[in-house]
Amino acid sequence: GAGVSQTPSNKVTEKGKYVELRCDPISGHTALYWYRQSLGQGPEFLIYFQGTGAADDSGLPNDRFFAVRPEGSVSTLKIQRTERGDSAVYLCASSLGTSRDNEQFFGPGTRLTVL
Amino acid sequence: GENVEQHPSTLSVQEGDSAVIKCTYSDSASNYFPWYKQELGKGPQLIIDIRSNVGEKKDQRIAVTLNKTAKHFSLHITETQPEDSAVYFCAASIFGGFKTIFGAGTRLFVKA
Repeated sequence: GAGVSQTPSNKVTEKGKYVELRCDPISGHTALYWYRQSLGQGPEFLIYFQGTGAADDSGLPNDRFFAVRPEGSVSTLKIQRTERGDSAVYLCASSLGTSRDNEQFFGPGTRLTVL
Repeated sequence: GENVEQHPSTLSVQEGDSAVIKCTYSDSASNYFPWYKQELGKGPQLIIDIRSNVGEKKDQRIAVTLNKTAKHFSLHITETQPEDSAVYFCAASIFGGFKTIFGAGTRLFVKA
């Protein structure tokens, strides 16, 4: 079946602009996660959703970052007033959302470049 | 919060040899430890995981060990093959794997 998909695959923007990154999880997965991966580093947790609600947003670096999942499926990560330091690959993952079986399936990521 | 350290950052082995990657974690409440493999241009993929009530788990050529007292866990790959070449990440989480903290990764090269 279809895995996690993310669009766009690449996004180039200018400093100060607003961007939206989209994630389509695996159908039926109630948990959805956003991570940021800088070059040569491991994924850095940003936020995760259980259904429509953000269960833990402690990884969002500041109030320029915001994520939504209004219908409990597709999620959008929104970044306002982008800065050059926001350049990274943004990964989305989804899982069944139970503590007994919570394997996270990752998408290919969106590479964000802020000029 | 949780902090996961991973070493080595780079590991080069000859095909057929074993590879070992080690991680330490800081939060004694962590109880789920997955390992991921990431190939170029792709997202990480789970290869094996272990829960805190188990000391060792094996799946064909890969095995993971956990020492809760020392807060150490390790990945062992035996009979390495060129297709094992990738970046490997360890991770730790509390409450069954929701908020997950990753190590910085180990780039494994398997020379044919």
